[in-house]
Amino acid sequence: EIVLTQSPAALSLSLGERATLSCRASQSVSTYLAWYQQRPGQAPRLLIYDTFNRATGIPARFSGSGSGTDFTLTISSLEPEDFAVYYCQQRSNWFTFGPGTKVDIK
Amino acid sequence: QVQLGESGGGVVQPGRSLRLSCAASGFTFSNYTMHWVRQAPGKGLEWVAVILYDGNHKYYADSVKGRFTISRDNSKNTLYLQMNSLRADDTAVYYCARDLQSGYNYVAYFEYWGQGTLVTVSS
Repeated sequence: EIVLTQSPAALSLSLGERATLSCRASQSVSTYLAWYQQRPGQAPRLLIYDTFNRATGIPARFSGSGSGTDFTLTISSLEPEDFAVYYCQQRSNWFTFGPGTKVDIK
Repeated sequence: QVQLGESGGGVVQPGRSLRLSCAASGFTFSNYTMHWVRQAPGKGLEWVAVILYDGNHKYYADSVKGRFTISRDNSKNTLYLQMNSLRADDTAVYYCARDLQSGYNYVAYFEYWGQGTLVTVSS
């Protein structure tokens, strides 16, 4: 099983700041990695797939990068609705999720 | 617009069974692979099962293999999850999710999600 590790576990930032979230895989997943956002009490929402492709309707302030075992989700300028938990997910070898990074307001 | 709505959750004793349903609308259900994903209270996400668009191929997480069965009725636009021999660690919100890509070559990215149904396994 491919294990995904996310860092940091939590991130406190202010509105307008840049957020950089990391996801590391226990073995290469090529570029088969996605990012999801989950707000409290809501279902997850697909943000990015295949490392850098934004899903339909996702704002351009969300971007993804990486390959192999190291991946990054960047939110260029935090909006109020961006404070949430973010999960990475791989589909290279079955399907597993990371433990999440919580982004909260400083 | 795409809508997914789960039902069938509740409180059940260990060892008992429960069947979840997911009603789909707003897209051609029979064209898409569908998944179940669960989330234990306060925890992260865990993929549970997948069924291809035509219902002919099904795959499961090791944690539920042999106990859970995924199925679909394309004439009713409905996805199911039959859960048998339930255990305390099956307690979670169960989400149905539509694959990002239609057809046989599904990608296992979860583009649309329902709001989830809570299953609590407790004596």
